[in-house]
Amino acid sequence: GQNIDQPTEMTATEGAIVQINCTYQTSGFNGLFWYQQHAGEAPTFLSYNVLDGLEEKGRFSSFLSRSKGYSYLLLKELQMKDSASYLCAVRVYNQGGKLIFGQGTELSVKP
Amino acid sequence: GAGVSQSPSNKVTEKGKDVELRCDPISGHTALYWYRQSLGQGLEFLIYFQGNSAPDKSGLPSDRFSAERTGGSVSTLTIQRTQQEDSAVYLCASSRDKNIQYFGAGTRLSVL
Repeated sequence: GQNIDQPTEMTATEGAIVQINCTYQTSGFNGLFWYQQHAGEAPTFLSYNVLDGLEEKGRFSSFLSRSKGYSYLLLKELQMKDSASYLCAVRVYNQGGKLIFGQGTELSVKP
Repeated sequence: GAGVSQSPSNKVTEKGKDVELRCDPISGHTALYWYRQSLGQGLEFLIYFQGNSAPDKSGLPSDRFSAERTGGSVSTLTIQRTQQEDSAVYLCASSRDKNIQYFGAGTRLSVL
């Protein structure tokens, strides 16, 4: 079956760095996505990894290790507006591009 | 440009009634997906459209749920004889060529 795990909640301080981990067990892995979702709003795309390594995009970076079934999202220079839910999702081959989501990590950024 | 649009944004209905939820994808996006987000749960896949056909309906929870897409654009998700466990946020996403999915803000369904 398919299984994706990420922590339920995390707390961090404004200006700091936080790492949100995601582990997955899927057959036919074809890419890992990170989305950000503020309460009551649409999930918005943050990053996509299909090969091993680090993808950097401004304050946000995402890392993938396919052999370990592991990814993380790194947020630097945290701002209060980064308080949101962060969703890890895996795409598998031959399933039309549908995403399998973890439960999401609720990040609270405190002053 | 316009994003994915869903209507209504909120729907309150009585148990046993039918409801229709609408999704307007981004223009030119051939793939369309419906997901459900229940309280405290991750997004759960319901159905996928490529053009007007639905190659994957594996996530529909029961035969009370159905969806269609016309003209390769607008999609409607219909829930018949709603039950309290159907209460959730229903999210629609579209993508070009099964790539990055862009989500609408969802319809919050409450079944009393």
